[in-house]
Amino acid sequence: DSGVTQTPKHLITATGQRVTLRCSPRSGDLSVYWYQQSLDQGLQFLIQYYNGEERAKGNILERFSAQQFPDLHSELNLSSLELGDSALYFCASSAGTGVWNEQFFGPGTRLTVL
Amino acid sequence: AQKVTQAQTEISVVEKEDVTLDCVYETRDTTYYLFWYKQPPSGELVFLIRRNSFDEQNEISGRYSWNFQKSTSSFNFTITASQVVDSAVYFCALSEASTGGGNKLTFGTGTQLKVEL
Repeated sequence: DSGVTQTPKHLITATGQRVTLRCSPRSGDLSVYWYQQSLDQGLQFLIQYYNGEERAKGNILERFSAQQFPDLHSELNLSSLELGDSALYFCASSAGTGVWNEQFFGPGTRLTVL
Repeated sequence: AQKVTQAQTEISVVEKEDVTLDCVYETRDTTYYLFWYKQPPSGELVFLIRRNSFDEQNEISGRYSWNFQKSTSSFNFTITASQVVDSAVYFCALSEASTGGGNKLTFGTGTQLKVEL
């Protein structure tokens, strides 16, 4: 158990809908990262927050947004969902923002868009 | 842009054999970190090891060892005396600094390791 929690574990929804994925980092970690894992794209970095501020951005679609709250939990919002958004979404956390920080991953949320 | 290549898509071994997973990376950064993660069938990603770019000393930790060679941009991972529980997908990753003061991991495509009795 990495100490990172993600809810829900599974999510099934329809095209055009909007969903919110939630992540709680390990105790004491200030950085939260979001990754998408799909058969087509592999493991792709989406976005990073550190203590409430956006610090790094990957190839995140405009339909996707995220935020980190004062209690350090984070939410990833996916809207106007398409079939291709079906994937496993991971949240990870680390103590800081330096490249040396190992990232600890949550169990993931499996999103299925029908 | 950074890139991580894991040329081995799938490896099958018999229990107790040693197995080496290859990883080649590309980066313009002079300081960087490399990681190996394991994804068992249950799906979670488990951190295994980390290596910085300025220390080429190879290390051993239990049944795991890693060989980092800056000259060839390779960061190979070896499991000694493999066990069935080692069956998983193994990902090599490169940590990259972001202009916004953050960082991100660039992952390879993974190597599926199957250890059979």
